[in-house]
Amino acid sequence: AQKVTQAQTEISVVEKEDVTLDCVYETRDTTYYLFWYKQPPSGELVFLIRRNSFDEQNEISGRYSWNFQKSTSSFNFTITASQVVDSAVYFCALSGGSGNTGKLIFGQGTTLQVKP
Amino acid sequence: DADVTQTPRNRITKTGKRIMLECSQTKGHDRMYWYRQDPGLGLRLIYYSFDVKDINKGEISDGYSVSRQAQAKFSLSLESAIPNQTALYFCATSDSGQGAEYSGANVLTFGAGSRLTVL
Repeated sequence: AQKVTQAQTEISVVEKEDVTLDCVYETRDTTYYLFWYKQPPSGELVFLIRRNSFDEQNEISGRYSWNFQKSTSSFNFTITASQVVDSAVYFCALSGGSGNTGKLIFGQGTTLQVKP
Repeated sequence: DADVTQTPRNRITKTGKRIMLECSQTKGHDRMYWYRQDPGLGLRLIYYSFDVKDINKGEISDGYSVSRQAQAKFSLSLESAIPNQTALYFCATSDSGQGAEYSGANVLTFGAGSRLTVL
């Protein structure tokens, strides 16, 4: 069975601190996709990144970076120099198989609070 | 206007009432989904549809039904609402492009959510 675990329920940091959100997944598929979504206080879900299982390159986008390690089944998300606007719930998700099904398995979410 | 529009945004109802949540999209996507969000549980898939004539149950379909009225419209119904259906409901869309390198594969565009409270 597929599963996504975000062990950190809530994280609180002070602005400008770096913070890493952990995501561990389980799947028997050899091909799969991993995602991060952001849910700000307004409630909408914003797509941040998708990573294919065969592409283990880390990715950096501005203050955001993602570390994908198949050996530990982890897809961690780091925010560098956090800002108050980063306060949100962050979800990690998994889509199994090589097909394009849109059937995502979500983790429980990590609530990040960035204090000024 | 939003790419994916959900109505109503908020609804309070009583146990036993029939409720319909509506979703429309301007993305031109073939695929539409209904997810439910509960605190501490993340999002779970209720139903999904890959085209107008295709409806599939998701992880938690009991107590729900759906209708795909057109490519752009996908509604979720609770025939007889119960309190444990109190949740935040999201409609989402995706396109049907295939191929491992296709950058849009499995990328969902979500609506703003519909908060349902069943008393």
